[in-house]
Amino acid sequence: SQKIEQNSEALNIQEGKTATLTCNYTNYSPAYLQWYRQDPGRGPVFLLLIRENEKEKRKERLKVTFDTTLKQSLFHITASQPADSATYLCAPRTGGADGLTFGKGTHLIIQP
Amino acid sequence: DTAVSQTPKYLVTQMGNDKSIKCEQNLGHDTMYWYKQDSKKFLKIMFSYNNKELIINETVPNRFSPKSPDKAHLNLHINSLELGDSAVYFCASSQGDREGSPLHFGNGTRLTVT
Repeated sequence: SQKIEQNSEALNIQEGKTATLTCNYTNYSPAYLQWYRQDPGRGPVFLLLIRENEKEKRKERLKVTFDTTLKQSLFHITASQPADSATYLCAPRTGGADGLTFGKGTHLIIQP
Repeated sequence: DTAVSQTPKYLVTQMGNDKSIKCEQNLGHDTMYWYKQDSKKFLKIMFSYNNKELIINETVPNRFSPKSPDKAHLNLHINSLELGDSAVYFCASSQGDREGSPLHFGNGTRLTVT
């Protein structure tokens, strides 16, 4: 069966450092992969999409990589700030209109 | 303006009752979804719906039913509520025919069944 694995334990990073979150998937061949941010009491918010033919995507301090051989995506936040503290969810997608399947998320804590 | 809005934000009810959660989107999207987030924070798709088809996750009990009066609304009806239905329910929308179209979520309805 399809499986998405994220480090669901809290990840503590010191302010100013780069935070790196991992998303591994099995029994998938996703056409693209999306990353979302979720704050307590709020719904997930879309951050970035990366397609299978793209190795890397950037948006401001965010960078996503996609390795279809390793079946892995890495999500980086550079110059991290306490305001970046949240849960980050990955969602590999094979296409279609049947909704995204999300990983359990990684709870990121940026300590001042 | 809120893009995807859900009401109520909190819902406390007793076992056996029937309840509804409303969802509206003003983004002009053609596809809407319901997700359930359990106590372990796992976000799980329940339904996806556009004007052509309803796709139901096979694990969803038939006590749950989506109702769409128009493209901008997808309400969730739950019959005979059970303790295990307690969770946060999220509505979302996207432009389903555009590959990679991101999902826009509401802020959730926290359902507590006592």
